[in-house]
Amino acid sequence: AQTVTQSQPEMSVQEAETVTLSCTYDTSESDYYLFWYKQPPSRQMILVIRQEAYKQQNATENRFSVNFQKAAKSFSLKISDSQLGDAAMYFCAYRSGRSYNTDKLIFGTGTRLQVFP
Amino acid sequence: NAGVTQTPKFQVLKTGQSMTLQCAQDMNHNSMYWYRQDPGMGLRLIYYSASEGTTDKGEVPNGYNVSRLNKREFSLRLESAAPSQTSVYFCASSPSDRVYGRTEAFFGQGTRLTVV
Repeated sequence: AQTVTQSQPEMSVQEAETVTLSCTYDTSESDYYLFWYKQPPSRQMILVIRQEAYKQQNATENRFSVNFQKAAKSFSLKISDSQLGDAAMYFCAYRSGRSYNTDKLIFGTGTRLQVFP
Repeated sequence: NAGVTQTPKFQVLKTGQSMTLQCAQDMNHNSMYWYRQDPGMGLRLIYYSASEGTTDKGEVPNGYNVSRLNKREFSLRLESAAPSQTSVYFCASSPSDRVYGRTEAFFGQGTRLTVV
């Protein structure tokens, strides 16, 4: 079974600085997708960034980028130029690719990010 | 553009009572999911449905039942609520056709359930 591990329950960063959130996963599959979701205090789940395992290039979305290390099964999120609005809970998630007859979407335990002015 | 709609948003139950959480999506997605969120535990998958008429157990299915009524609706039922089921519940949907890279899940606003 696939598992997703986020080993940092809490992280903090100063405004305008850069922070990296860690995520590792375990799978025997070769085709899959990885995601980072943000959950602000409103409880809404917001997609931050997506990575397809078959793509070697790391995904980027404005100030958000990932470091995808497929062999190491590592998927970290880098937030550059941190803003107060980035304060939230961040979840890493895994989904099997279309090669597999399953549609599970599983999440890590989350990292709470605090941003200080 | 409603997306994923969950009802109710808040609910208090007494131990042993039953209730159904409703979820509907208007994005024509095949896949739907129910999660519970507890402090320090992240989102844990209760049940999921890859298509109308099919359901599968997730990580924590005990004490819950689901129904995929049609493509739009996926309900979660607690037959005899227990205090351990106090949690925030999320419904989500996703396209199952991953050919075009549209793989992310869209979430409802959540239901805060308290069992006393």
